[in-house]
Amino acid sequence: DGGITQSPKYLFRKEGQNVTLSCEQNLNHDAMYWYRQDPGQGLRLIYYSQIVNDFQKGDIAEGYSVSREKKESFPLTVTSAQKNPTAFYLCASSIRGGAILSGNTIYFGEGSWLTVV
Amino acid sequence: AQKVTQAQTEISVVEKEDVTLDCVYETRDTTYYLFWYKQPPSGELVFLIRRNSFDEQNEISGRYSWNFQKSTSSFNFTITASQVVDSAVYFCALSQDGSGNTGKLIFGQGTTLQVKP
Repeated sequence: DGGITQSPKYLFRKEGQNVTLSCEQNLNHDAMYWYRQDPGQGLRLIYYSQIVNDFQKGDIAEGYSVSREKKESFPLTVTSAQKNPTAFYLCASSIRGGAILSGNTIYFGEGSWLTVV
Repeated sequence: AQKVTQAQTEISVVEKEDVTLDCVYETRDTTYYLFWYKQPPSGELVFLIRRNSFDEQNEISGRYSWNFQKSTSSFNFTITASQVVDSAVYFCALSQDGSGNTGKLIFGQGTTLQVKP
């Protein structure tokens, strides 16, 4: 089945630890994104990548890092510098240059819950 | 500044009632894209509709309809004859990049819809 796979679904992190959330897509999309969702709030963009080996900071990039070594993969590392990491994390992907193709539809994975213990 | 406001935090209706979810946006871009997503309890975001700023035609898809009015910067979503399966959090979103090329979105805070049997 085509889609976006995030793992793990639930993750617990101790204070001071780095953790990495996995995101894989087989949609052949060029662009990938990481969003954070806090309870009762909308999603906020952490990082995005429009092409392999390139990525840009979003609105709340501090305390996070990413890599884009392969087109299908865009892992997110939540570092110890992120002071309030407990949240729901959603990965997404889309076709690059979407305006040319009648707009850019962004597809989301099922999300990962990260809790600091 | 770009912003999306969903003033209704929670809405509760009885099955078969019609319900409208409001979305008001702010942007200085002349070209932009608006989206609605549904987030069921499982967490993933399900794409419902994309609309570009040049297309003010209302759209109907089954029990769903959307009313886009540039004059009032609104993009409201109506569910006709609501069903229990419609219970979810609904997000309205605006493309940060006016061209829609990057797929970066600004989300409203979401409206939780509860449909009671």
